[in-house]
Amino acid sequence: DVKVTQSSRYLVKRTGEKVFLECVQDMDHENMFWYRQDPGLGLRLIYFSYDVKMKEKGDIPEGYSVSREKKERFSLILESASTNQTSMYLCASSLGGGTDEQYFGPGTRLTVT
Amino acid sequence: AQSVTQLDSQVPVFEEAPVELRCNYSSSVSVYLFWYVQYPNQGLQLLLKYLSGSTLVKGINGFEAEFNKSQTSFHLRKPSVHISDTAEYFCAVTIGPGLSNYQLIWGAGTKLIIKP
Repeated sequence: DVKVTQSSRYLVKRTGEKVFLECVQDMDHENMFWYRQDPGLGLRLIYFSYDVKMKEKGDIPEGYSVSREKKERFSLILESASTNQTSMYLCASSLGGGTDEQYFGPGTRLTVT
Repeated sequence: AQSVTQLDSQVPVFEEAPVELRCNYSSSVSVYLFWYVQYPNQGLQLLLKYLSGSTLVKGINGFEAEFNKSQTSFHLRKPSVHISDTAEYFCAVTIGPGLSNYQLIWGAGTKLIIKP
């Protein structure tokens, strides 16, 4: 079974803190994704990566950055957390392009106070 | 801009009754269509997908969906729901060649509420 793990299920941070969310997949997938999920808005893509050290902006990259130094690991960084970044963050991975299933981690619920 | 519309934010239905969750998309080009399910406190998992061929697609847990190109719809159905189907269901579409092909465009989700 493909496994996508995220470093924390719940996280509480203060405004202005630098926040790291980590995601690891164990199936040698080429592509990894970071989404945020908010009620009534579905999933919105923040960044994705189709190869090590390669990244592409999604629909809402402002306030976020990413790092992919190894194939299995994709990190999301909030440089200076703000209250409007309180959300559920989902990581996913897929083997190939748009026809392939995305496998999701359990999510990290981040609260910024 | 491309979009996916899930017409109902919540669908309450009695156990063992049939259900249809509606999804419409806006695109004039070929698309790939997906339904994902999110059970309470879990990540999303794929229910089914349409890439090409037969417009009726069968997925896991007894769900099926029908691709209707003329109506740009991809509605999800199950003939008899169970309490374990309580979840949020997301419709998604990928469009186009190149890097845009990697991006799923997501609907807002429909919560399926099963009444005993």
